[in-house]
Amino acid sequence: QVQLQESGPGLVKPSETLSLTCTVSGGSISDYNWNWIRQPAGKGLEWIGRIYTSGSTNYNPSLKSRVTMSVDTSKNQFSLKLSSVTAADTAVYYCARDRMGYVYEYWGQGILVTVSS
Amino acid sequence: DIVMTQFPDSLAVSLGERATINCKSSQSVLYSSNNKNYLAWYQQKPGQPPKLLVYWASTRESGVPDRFSGSGSGTDFTLTISSLQAEDVAVYYCQQYYSIPNSFGQGTKLEIK
Repeated sequence: QVQLQESGPGLVKPSETLSLTCTVSGGSISDYNWNWIRQPAGKGLEWIGRIYTSGSTNYNPSLKSRVTMSVDTSKNQFSLKLSSVTAADTAVYYCARDRMGYVYEYWGQGILVTVSS
Repeated sequence: DIVMTQFPDSLAVSLGERATINCKSSQSVLYSSNNKNYLAWYQQKPGQPPKLLVYWASTRESGVPDRFSGSGSGTDFTLTISSLQAEDVAVYYCQQYYSIPNSFGQGTKLEIK
């Protein structure tokens, strides 16, 4: 059974960089595409970006200038970095595996990241 | 970017009754070369990540009860729960995967009347 687990700091200061890692178990990270999706409290879902099996990436244009995603196949992990954060970046961040670039079939439980001084 | 709009924002339905949630995309998500609608539905319960229910607008994900069904084409879509059960209380989201950035509707909160 595929499982995803987000990890990282739950509190980030404004203007700093948010860094999260998603650890994948139950399958090889090399065979699929991986995504980050976030959800502010009580609000809807926002797709942040995707990293493909090739290592190439697609980011949401609204965040593109601040987002970097990468994969570490040796650890079966992928990561998210979001720079210059503000309070508007406070959200639950989910990692997810997609099905051929389409729907999100496996999700982590999510990690709450609060941006505050 | 494709904007997804759901209605209603919230819905209260009696147990055993039908629940209908609508989703409209700002442009067609029907890909003409394969005649597939790039539209999915998810269910999210409190404190949990979303769960995939339906994709290609009408294909139920494995393990999803058959009381859930999706329909529609082009820009207008519907998720129907034929006989509401207590465990169906959740927020439901539609999502388009026709183009990047993939986008979700704002969600419809389903409650028991």
